[in-house]
Amino acid sequence: KAGVTQTPRYLIKTRGQQVTLSCSPISGHRSVSWYQQTPGQGLQFLFEYFSETQRNKGNFPGRFSGRQFSNSRSEMNVSTLELGDSALYLCASEGQGTGELFFGEGSRLTVL
Amino acid sequence: KNEVEQSPQNLTAQEGEFITINCSYSVGISALHWLQQHPGGGIVSLFMLSSGKKKHGRLIATINIQEKHSSLHITASHPRDSAVYICAVRKSGNTPLVFGKGTRLSVIA
Repeated sequence: KAGVTQTPRYLIKTRGQQVTLSCSPISGHRSVSWYQQTPGQGLQFLFEYFSETQRNKGNFPGRFSGRQFSNSRSEMNVSTLELGDSALYLCASEGQGTGELFFGEGSRLTVL
Repeated sequence: KNEVEQSPQNLTAQEGEFITINCSYSVGISALHWLQQHPGGGIVSLFMLSSGKKKHGRLIATINIQEKHSSLHITASHPRDSAVYICAVRKSGNTPLVFGKGTRLSVIA
């Protein structure tokens, strides 16, 4: 069974640009959550989707958005990038009814 | 004060030592997760607990709901156990995870 796949793994952008990150959950998992990890703040929750609906949203500005498609794949978008958006962005899918989490390898974003 | 506190922040151990990492939380929870993150980023879920104790190989996780405390134990530690261990709690059903700051473990041969 394939794991959670995140693309791209690494990317470099400049301030003001936008970026789209993709997450494909484990087959059959309908819940996908996104997290930002920085050295200073640790892991912080961004948003969670379940069956194409945003179920929860973390305390991030509106520049951060996401969506989920009918095949459960999810994307997150960050517009008007700032230097402080440099981070590892992780997604996780949740086992149906089990609560068990499976994380992807992450997308490491550097904003110059 | 963070809702989830871990101790110690950093830990260095000799190979073979018994290791304990602690997690205290200040809210009612439906589940607690222990996660492992190796250098390079990927996170692996080690345990999900709502009560009692779980064991997987050399790893043991316990939780005391009344005291709002959980411990992760590693027996016969090995250099490959070197990683950051993160405690995370879910307050109820579908609420987001709240994370501790992590404990960085280095096991020296």
